[in-house]
Amino acid sequence: EAQVTQNPRYLITVTGKKLTVTCSQNMNHEYMSWYRQDPGLGLRQIYYSMNVEVTDKGDVPEGYKVSRKEKRNFPLILESPSPNQTSLYFCASSPNRLASTDTQYFGPGTRLTVL
Amino acid sequence: GENVEQHPSTLSVQEGDSAVIKCTYSDSASNYFPWYKQELGKGPQLIIDIRSNVGEKKDQRIAVTLNKTAKHFSLHITETQPEDSAVYFCAATTGFQKLVFGTGTRLLVSP
Repeated sequence: EAQVTQNPRYLITVTGKKLTVTCSQNMNHEYMSWYRQDPGLGLRQIYYSMNVEVTDKGDVPEGYKVSRKEKRNFPLILESPSPNQTSLYFCASSPNRLASTDTQYFGPGTRLTVL
Repeated sequence: GENVEQHPSTLSVQEGDSAVIKCTYSDSASNYFPWYKQELGKGPQLIIDIRSNVGEKKDQRIAVTLNKTAKHFSLHITETQPEDSAVYFCAATTGFQKLVFGTGTRLLVSP
């Protein structure tokens, strides 16, 4: 089944404890992206990647890191999480590097709480 | 950069009624306008999109209209059903890598 998977789905952690949220797609998509969803703010892009070893900042990259060593994986790293990073996170992928004008396929989301 | 405003934030309708969600965008160069539906506990899913060379697009009970002069576009759902209950997001882009989303509309369809 073609899909985007994220792990974990739920995570409660404490301030400063490094964490990684994994994202994997099995559709051989070139484009991958991370969003955070907050009430009243919609979906905001954190980072995106147009291909292996190519990443770039979105609208809200502060406090986050990403890597794209393989085409299928795009982990989101929080080196020192803070409470303002409590949010619902979505990974997405798209077949075309010009993903802005192509369908994006979203994962099921990761709900992160930072205490 | 692009800014997308979406209204209303919540919308309650009776089953069988129509629902309309409106979005405005700021960048006149934007040329692609998708709509995503997010069901509870799931990620957003594309339901319909429109490009700037088209004024209206329909797919069964859903339709999207685009007014480039006024820089706004709308989602129309006719004969609403309980399974239409979800959060709907509009988005806009000029064609570069970033897609800018609206703040979402929570649609509740009551039986």
